[in-house]
Amino acid sequence: QQPVQSPQAVILREGEDAVINCSSSKALYSVHWYRQKHGEAPVFLMILLKGGEQKGHEKISASFNEKKQQSSLYLTASQLSYSGTYFCGTPGAGNMLTFGGGTRLMVKP
Amino acid sequence: GAGVSQSPSNKVTEKGKDVELRCDPISGHTALYWYRQSLGQGLEFLIYFQGNSAPDKSGLPSDRFSAERTGGSVSTLTIQRTQQEDSAVYLCASSLVGGGDYGYTFGSGTRLTVV
Repeated sequence: QQPVQSPQAVILREGEDAVINCSSSKALYSVHWYRQKHGEAPVFLMILLKGGEQKGHEKISASFNEKKQQSSLYLTASQLSYSGTYFCGTPGAGNMLTFGGGTRLMVKP
Repeated sequence: GAGVSQSPSNKVTEKGKDVELRCDPISGHTALYWYRQSLGQGLEFLIYFQGNSAPDKSGLPSDRFSAERTGGSVSTLTIQRTQQEDSAVYLCASSLVGGGDYGYTFGSGTRLTVV
C-alpha cells in the first residue's frame, strides 16, 4: 500500500522551516526520501533504517518512528534550491519501493 | 557507467505502434526497477529485477507491457500496441541490491507521447 504524505504542497520564504510527513498503514523497517526538481529525475536524499534514527543531508534531516509507522523530513532555513517535489518510499510486498504521492515544496525569495 | 542511462530521452509514437525503452544501470548494481510517472503524478511501480532471479512483474498494468534484462545488466521495457494512456515518463532506477536497504539511482527517464 502507498504511504501517505502530508502536506500535499507547501510554500515557504527563504530561511523558513518546513516539515513533511510520511505515514504507512503497515509496519516499516526502512524509509527512503527523494527530491525531484521539475523536469528531472528523483534524487536520493537519505534512507532511515533504524527506529528513531535521524539522518541529515545539507540542512535537511529526517526521523523515523517505527512504532508510529511514520517518518518526517525537516527542512531547516530553507534555500531556493530546496524547491521541488519530495517523495518518501517504503518497501512494498516485494522488494521494491512504493512511493507516496509527493509533497510539492516551493521556496520563494 | 557513472549513472543510470536511459534512451531515448523522448519518444513520440502513433497509437497502436510498439515501442522499446532502454535502461543501462550502474555497473555492479544487481537490482533494477522500472517506474512510470504521469504528468504531475507520483511514481508508479512497474517491474523489478534482482540479479538472475525471476522478475517481479506485479506492477505491469496490462499484458501489452513486458520487460527483460539481459546478462544482469541492460534492461528493455517494451510496450506493444501503445495507447494514449501510456503517455508518461518512464523512469529506470538501480540499486546495489534490492530490499529497500540501499538508495535508488534514477535515470533521466524516457518521455513517451502517444498520439
